[in-house]
Amino acid sequence: SQQGEEDPQALSIQEGENATMNCSYKTSINNLQWYRQNSGRGLVHLILIRSNEREKHSGRLRVTLDTSKKSSSLLITASRAADTASYFCATDAQRNTPLVFGKGTRLSVIA
Amino acid sequence: EAQVTQNPRYLITVTGKKLTVTCSQNMNHEYMSWYRQDPGLGLRQIYYSMNVEVTDKGDVPEGYKVSRKEKRNFPLILESPSPNQTSLYFCASSRQGVEFFGPGTRLTVL
Repeated sequence: SQQGEEDPQALSIQEGENATMNCSYKTSINNLQWYRQNSGRGLVHLILIRSNEREKHSGRLRVTLDTSKKSSSLLITASRAADTASYFCATDAQRNTPLVFGKGTRLSVIA
Repeated sequence: EAQVTQNPRYLITVTGKKLTVTCSQNMNHEYMSWYRQDPGLGLRQIYYSMNVEVTDKGDVPEGYKVSRKEKRNFPLILESPSPNQTSLYFCASSRQGVEFFGPGTRLTVL
């Protein structure tokens, strides 16, 4: 039951540029989260945005949520080579229900 | 240090040989889950557990078993592994909906 779909599948940018990744989902959600995965390692939670929120910031990360379009975006500003990773969105339909992950966006930041 | 640990990290085995991947968390989380990650298919949930002695199937439970006899441990059991279970496996525990992932177990079934 794949819920979120990230776009683009892969993104390559120069260090210092901004990176924007999008996530679309199909059904109503409780929360939407973004996770990061360095190659072959465990996912790490980045940020959670609730269905009644529209925007959230955490350091160089900015997440927006548009529930009318069932979409979210993750913006990484002033990217660094260390930001190279895969980024996944995950949604849950309601409290205490399993998270459903998208297939991820592979970001490459070139120094 | 708050963490989720998995063992083994790497395993090569043969078809039909029963194996167990252990998972342990030290954060006193009630919710734990197992995922598998495959190229092109993303992360898919195998089983989850909302508390001790409470487990439920995720999206891809066939061929797997789990148990939750105590809060900190959530082992994944493959009674008769097959090559289509070759994958990268992650255990996770959750607090307030946020998942904390283990480092992963790369399993190859020959």
